[in-house]
Amino acid sequence: DAEITQSPRHKITETGRQVTLACHQTWNHNNMFWYRQDLGHGLRLIHYSYGVHDTNKGEVSDGYSVSRSNTEDLPLTLESAASSQTSVYFCASSEMLAGVDEQYFGPGTRLTVT
Amino acid sequence: SQKIEQNSEALNIQEGKTATLTCNYTNYSPAYLQWYRQDPGRGPVFLLLIRENEKEKRKERLKVTFDTTLKQSLFHITASQPADSATYLCAMDSSYKLIFGSGTRLLVRP
Repeated sequence: DAEITQSPRHKITETGRQVTLACHQTWNHNNMFWYRQDLGHGLRLIHYSYGVHDTNKGEVSDGYSVSRSNTEDLPLTLESAASSQTSVYFCASSEMLAGVDEQYFGPGTRLTVT
Repeated sequence: SQKIEQNSEALNIQEGKTATLTCNYTNYSPAYLQWYRQDPGRGPVFLLLIRENEKEKRKERLKVTFDTTLKQSLFHITASQPADSATYLCAMDSSYKLIFGSGTRLLVRP
């Protein structure tokens, strides 16, 4: 069965460290997204990609970067982790059909920056 | 800016009753709205989509309405069960992306 996976599921890191969160999907979807979820804010879009070598900034992109070298993967990098980036991170993928974008989410990565 | 809002207070209802959750949006006219379910420690799961030209959509015990005049969508779960307890998120399309509400937690008491 097709799926979308994230790793690690939990990560503790120190302020200033570079961290990369992995996202891998086997749906063969063109679209991939990274969100963060915090209490009171819901899901906020960090970065997204509509295909290989395409990346775009979302609502809360400062301090984050992504690259898309193949269809299956969209790793999210925190260049220099800050305490404000403590959050739960979700990756999602979709294939726009008839103008509709139903998204499939991964299980999430809980990141703590100390 | 575009905004989508859900009631942040948890909805607590008795098993067997109908749960009604509200989603309001402003400063935009979405072509469709989506509803997702999220259980603790898991990613959201897609439930239903309703387009702007549809008044109502049903799927088993779920019903969604879309009122473009009120800029509102209602999500109903009939004959609710404790297993329906979860957080429900609404989302609207915006330039090939989705903007999510913060979700409403539903608790169904046995």
